[in-house]
Amino acid sequence: EVQLLESGGGLVQPGGSLRLACAASGFTFSSYAMNWVRQAPGKGLEWVATISASGATRYNADSVKGRVTISRDNTKNTVHLHMNSLRAEDTALYYCAKDHAEGGGSSLDFWGQGTLVTVSS
Amino acid sequence: SYELTQPPSVSVSPGQTASITCSGDKLGDKYAYWYQQRPGQSPVLVIYQDNQRPSGIPERFSGSNSGNTASLTISGTEATDEADYYCQAWDSGTYVFGPGTKVTVL
Repeated sequence: EVQLLESGGGLVQPGGSLRLACAASGFTFSSYAMNWVRQAPGKGLEWVATISASGATRYNADSVKGRVTISRDNTKNTVHLHMNSLRAEDTALYYCAKDHAEGGGSSLDFWGQGTLVTVSS
Repeated sequence: SYELTQPPSVSVSPGQTASITCSGDKLGDKYAYWYQQRPGQSPVLVIYQDNQRPSGIPERFSGSNSGNTASLTISGTEATDEADYYCQAWDSGTYVFGPGTKVTVL
């Protein structure tokens, strides 16, 4: 059974930093791209970042470019999202999602339960 | 940047058919994906590569994609199908989600 468990969310002040983690199990982690998708309260889904299976290729949404870095550790089956210069509009539930493809660009076939990030003073 | 549009809401009676559209420039040249999100839950993939159902998704869910429009059809709608539905496509290194359609089963 595929499981994705996010952690690291919390309350952070504007301009601050946060590191989210996603622990994966139940599949061959090193064979699939991984993604972060966020959902602001009462709003729709917004893709944030993708990292390919090997970690060699990364994609970021324009809304977070220069402020977030996605990384992965295939020896520990984890993916991270490093966020800095956080803004109020970054407040959202952040989901970790498994891609169906090695390089990304396919469906997001499994999702975690999400970790809540609140940016407020 | 690429955009997808969806109707904000669709209402359907139990047992009837609900259809949700997703529009984007030459969307038919890309794969369309659909996700269901019930209240308070994480999204679930219900259609991939235009018309394929993942394991465990009921047969009443079907999809199509041609021209500028992709569609998700729910046949014999059940109360449990009440949810938000999001379409998604991949364009130039970006995952694009539609704004979502709320399906209400009356």
